[in-house]
Amino acid sequence: GAVVSQHPSWVICKSGTSVKIECRSLDFQATTMFWYRQFPKQSLMLMATSNEGSKATYEQGVEKDKFLINHASLTLSTLTVTSAHPEDSSFYICSARVPTSGNYNEQFFGPGTRLTVL
Amino acid sequence: QKEVEQNSGPLSVPEGAIASLNCTYSDRGSQSFFWYRQYSGKSPELIMSIYSNGDKEDGRFTAQLNKASQYVSLLIRDSQPSDSATYLCAVRNAGGTSYGKLTFGQGTILTVHP
Repeated sequence: GAVVSQHPSWVICKSGTSVKIECRSLDFQATTMFWYRQFPKQSLMLMATSNEGSKATYEQGVEKDKFLINHASLTLSTLTVTSAHPEDSSFYICSARVPTSGNYNEQFFGPGTRLTVL
Repeated sequence: QKEVEQNSGPLSVPEGAIASLNCTYSDRGSQSFFWYRQYSGKSPELIMSIYSNGDKEDGRFTAQLNKASQYVSLLIRDSQPSDSATYLCAVRNAGGTSYGKLTFGQGTILTVHP
């Protein structure tokens, strides 16, 4: 399968600071990437769809000014959690859609970033 | 009504048995269906994708799709303790502004005991 990387794998920060998470597709070009958040013992929650060269599409209830997404190239999308607070502590996971014809469009996930806000 | 529903389990099977995981979805126009495996503390890993009615086999895994019943399942033959994980069913939206998005079920916890 396609390889997606994320950096950092974990981060601890103080309340009020900003944290940037990178998501890279290593062996394919991804016009579309997705950012998810997962709290313990819960399923994945889609936060936003990141499109190369255009603005991200945020899901209902997700603050676009707090979770800044930039998809400046076909292999890199970044998520910046601004003014982080303890309630933002979670497992953030990105995925990239493999562009193929037909109905495939499989998504492959990065390894995730565990954010802890003190 | 949830868009994608799974039995949260836990489902416990003995080693060597067949594990059967089920998923129903509400959007009749959905075209693509995926099964992901997620180990505790890790991100999901794609194990099967299916698009046409019927069965699709890959090693010990068989995905089954019935669009008329809006039902997709995953069978794991010769279950191993290493198969113990949460299995997520995902459905790709049919189109429109949500094109390409996946909707996930809540996951089924599978435990394979020796």
